Amino acid sequence: NAGVMQNPRHLVRRRGQEARLRCSPMKGHSHVYWYRQLPEEGLKFMVYLQKENIIDESGMPKERFSAEFPKEGPSILRIQQVVRGDSAAYFCASSQNQGFGEKLFFGSGTQLSVL
Amino acid sequence: SQQGEEDPQALSIQEGENATMNCSYKTSINNLQWYRQNSGRGLVHLILIRSNEREKHSGRLRVTLDTSKKSSSLLITASRAADTASYFCATALDGSEKLVFGKGTKLTVNP
Repeated sequence: NAGVMQNPRHLVRRRGQEARLRCSPMKGHSHVYWYRQLPEEGLKFMVYLQKENIIDESGMPKERFSAEFPKEGPSILRIQQVVRGDSAAYFCASSQNQGFGEKLFFGSGTQLSVL
Repeated sequence: SQQGEEDPQALSIQEGENATMNCSYKTSINNLQWYRQNSGRGLVHLILIRSNEREKHSGRLRVTLDTSKKSSSLLITASRAADTASYFCATALDGSEKLVFGKGTKLTVNP
């Protein structure tokens, strides 16, 4: 049973380009969370999605960032017109059930570097 | 601001010693979880303790929760070099479905 799969593992973009980060949850999981981590920092919540629905996007910047979790296929975190400040590790996590503070299974992350 | 704050920020011990990390939080919670992160990797769930529980054990791990003081501690007994990692507490706020993480304690276990 494969774990949470994220790709790419490393992504380099120039300022102004778009970044697309993909996350396939664990088999049987329909809840996906995206977090961002800066060096030596904890994880900052960005967005929580279920299939075809955004449940909580309170941590997402209002501009340039969007997320989706379509009926078929992986969840996508999209960052348009990237800036240097977007450089960070982006982690996806999934859970089996909807609930308050369910145990999360994390992917290995995508390290985004903006030149 | 962070909901959970771990203390200390960094801890260095010798193999075989016990390691204690603390976490304080600000608001009412449903549960509190501890995760571990090896350098450059994703987080791995260690243990979950519910708000009506006071202590929980899992192998060499012992977690306590004091809701009156809004604090939790993670004890790793008989530490090993392989325990070297960052440890994060995460809280599920009352009424919220998302986990909020602290900044972590960086543990180094010297062989």
